[in-house]
Amino acid sequence: DIQMTQSPSSLSASVGERITITCRASQSIAGYLNWYQQKVGKAPKLLIHVASSLQSGVPSRFSGSGSGTDFTLTISSLQPEDFATYFCQQSYGSPYTFGQGTKLEIK
Amino acid sequence: QVQLQESGPGLVKPSETLSLTCTVSGGSMNNYYWSWIRQPPGEGLEWIGYIYSSGSTDYNPSLKSRVTISIDMSKNQFSLNLSSVTAADTAVYYCARRGTYKFDYWGQGTLVTVSS
Repeated sequence: DIQMTQSPSSLSASVGERITITCRASQSIAGYLNWYQQKVGKAPKLLIHVASSLQSGVPSRFSGSGSGTDFTLTISSLQPEDFATYFCQQSYGSPYTFGQGTKLEIK
Repeated sequence: QVQLQESGPGLVKPSETLSLTCTVSGGSMNNYYWSWIRQPPGEGLEWIGYIYSSGSTDYNPSLKSRVTISIDMSKNQFSLNLSSVTAADTAVYYCARRGTYKFDYWGQGTLVTVSS
């Protein structure tokens, strides 16, 4: 299985700040990397697919980059509704695996 | 707008079979992969498996011996059976559509507790 490792596991930040979350794959996954946002008690919501493509309806303050084994999710200016848990997920090969999550909290 | 809705028992006894159904509305099931994903309380996400509209399946090897996913296109539904459950199978179970390399539509999730 391809292991996905996110860092940090948790992050405190303020409204308006720029933050970056990192995801590392245990082997090359080309650009087959997705990012999801999950709020408490809700299903995950797709933000970014194939590393850098913004899903329809997602604000442009979200962006993704990377290829191979190292990927990043950036939120350019945090809004109150962005405080949630973020997961990366590889779609390079079965079984499709997720990172352990990064919990973004208000400072 | 595609919508997915899970249904099934919220409580299953140990050693029995967990059975859930996902009903799809607002779009065709053709030419997509329909997945089950679970999340134990307070933990991360685990892909269980998927079924393609043609009926072909792929399962996570960690669960493969206990999982069956089936599809009923006439009812716009697909289903999950997980046999011989234990407390470790307690989780929120999500159904999701796998579009091109992404899980783009999700159900709201249903909590299944394994307990006697």
